[in-house]
Formats: sequence, C-alpha cells, structure tokens
Amino acid sequence: QVQLVQSGDEVRKPGASVKVSCEASGYTFTSYGITWIRQAPGQGLEWIGWITAYNGNTNIAPKFQDRVTMTTDASTSTAYMEMRSLRHDDTAVYYCARGPVPWPFWGRGTMVTVSS
Amino acid sequence: EIVLTQSPATLSVSPGESATLSCRASQSVSDSLAWYQQRRGQSPRLLIYGASSRSTGVPARFTGSRSGTEFTLNISRLQSEDFAIYYCLQHNTRPWTFGQGTKVEI
Repeated sequence: QVQLVQSGDEVRKPGASVKVSCEASGYTFTSYGITWIRQAPGQGLEWIGWITAYNGNTNIAPKFQDRVTMTTDASTSTAYMEMRSLRHDDTAVYYCARGPVPWPFWGRGTMVTVSS
Repeated sequence: EIVLTQSPATLSVSPGESATLSCRASQSVSDSLAWYQQRRGQSPRLLIYGASSRSTGVPARFTGSRSGTEFTLNISRLQSEDFAIYYCLQHNTRPWTFGQGTKVEI
C-alpha cells in the first residue's frame, strides 16, 4: 500500500532553515509527483508547491518561490522540502502528498515550530 | 489567485441528520474541485474529486455537485465519525487554493 513517511518535528529560530523529508513506498516513486501543503495551528490548508519525481521539475506558489526548494532522491524514494529565512508565521504542520492532484495519499505531517 | 469561500463556517447538526456544505469560487474552476475531510489530529482525507466523484472507500452518503462556480458537499445520515472539518480545493489554476473550511459539529 502507498505510504508516505515524513521526518520528525523540528524547532528552529527565526532566520534559520529547515529541511523536511517524505519517504515514499508502495508504488514506483518516479511515476508520481509529490506535493507539499502546510497548515498553521488552528488554520486552514495552504498549497506550497509540487515536484515531479521523474525529472525534478517544480512548480512553487509565488508566495514561497524565493524561500522554498524542493528536491527528490529516486535512489531512496524520498522527497525533500527546504524552507529558508524562517519566520514565526511559518510555524505549521507540513504535509507531503502523492500526486496526481487531488492527492489521495498524504503523509502524517511534520510540525515545524519557529520560535526565538 | 482564485478564492474559495466556504459556508457556513460552522454547522451544528445531530447524528442521523443531513448537512449541506457550500464552496463558491471567485472564478471558473471547471470541475477541478475536490473535497477533503480532516478529523482532529489527522491528515486530510480525499472525499470527492472532479466535483462529484467519490474517492475510493468513501461512503455513498457523501455526494458532491456543481452549479457554475458554486459547489456543494452533501452528507446524509451523519455518523459520529463525520464530525470534522471539511475543505474544498481548486486545482484548475495555479496557485491551487483551498477554502477556509467548514466545521461540522454536534
């Protein structure tokens, strides 16, 4: 069965970076893209962007384009999302989800806390 | 970007009753509209895609429909596990956007 296992919770100071991973199993990794979505505490869902696992092409929401990098490692079936210059309002649960949209498979989420 | 407006923000219903949730798009999204259910502490679960198709394993009491830019999720015979927050998503035009959610509570 399809599984997306995300890395553990992280705590960072403002201005720092964080890299969240999403290890996929149960399907051919390069056949589907990976999307990243976040959810601030008590808030709704926000699409960050996606990456095509086959060739690494990305499409990142304008709001995040200057701070987010998405990569994949086909040898380990793992997708990564790195966010730089973290701010307090980046505190959120970060989810990965497998394509195609509208994403029937989701990871359990990684809590990223930005606190001074 | 396309704005999705969900209403009501909160819906109070009793088990066994029906619920009607609305999602209005600020411009056409064609049928590229999905509904998700999120229970407390869990990841979102895909319920409906293509405005009206149920995802695998979703009970028939969940139905989606579209009228222009207005989308509706109907839940009949509410069960205890249906009390959750429901989000709509448009994936017709990037950036893909979600509605702010409707909480279905007892």
